[in-house]
Amino acid sequence: GQNIDQPTEMTATEGAIVQINCTYQTSGFNGLFWYQQHAGEAPTFLSYNVLDGLEEKGRFSSFLSRSKGYSYLLLKELQMKDSASYLCAATRDNTGKLIFGQGTTLQVKP
Amino acid sequence: EAGVAQSPRYKIIEKRQSVAFWCNPISGHATLYWYQQILGQGPKLLIQFQNNGVVDDSQLPKDRFSAERLKGVDSTLKIQPAKLEDSAVYLCASSFDGINGETQYFGPGTRLLVL
Repeated sequence: GQNIDQPTEMTATEGAIVQINCTYQTSGFNGLFWYQQHAGEAPTFLSYNVLDGLEEKGRFSSFLSRSKGYSYLLLKELQMKDSASYLCAATRDNTGKLIFGQGTTLQVKP
Repeated sequence: EAGVAQSPRYKIIEKRQSVAFWCNPISGHATLYWYQQILGQGPKLLIQFQNNGVVDDSQLPKDRFSAERLKGVDSTLKIQPAKLEDSAVYLCASSFDGINGETQYFGPGTRLLVL
């Protein structure tokens, strides 16, 4: 089976750091994507983790623990434009198929 | 490089009517995906094409939904007849060859409202 959970909503302050968690139970798990989706727009790629550990890319970092079925997206130095929905998605069975969580809506306040 | 194109961007229809959506993937991308995204949820895969063949349509409601990619480039998704619960954003995505871990690039989506 497959189940991907992430918080529905989060609020943070401009300039702060926020961590968005994602837990998954996915048979045949391969890797974990994070996408950003602004309201009314298409999802855009942020990161992909297949090995355990932290991958840093500018203000955004993503972490994966395969043994715990857990990932997080870390956003530093938050900006107002970071207000968006953040989707985690798992791939499985060596296919390109993405299984998405419901998304976390992040609101950045001044 | 041009992105994934979709049309129309918005569509309002009444239940039991039919509707069709069009997608043009990124040039050279062999794999094309159609997703349904209901408000407040993550996208759900409806169908995946590799060139003009179907790879996965296990979550496509085949009694009312159909999709084709006849020449392995553009694709159309059709709903006939539409139901109220079909109100959603229909996203098209493409990737180079659909292998595991490859980034999918999404189009802007078609927002469908069924009244």
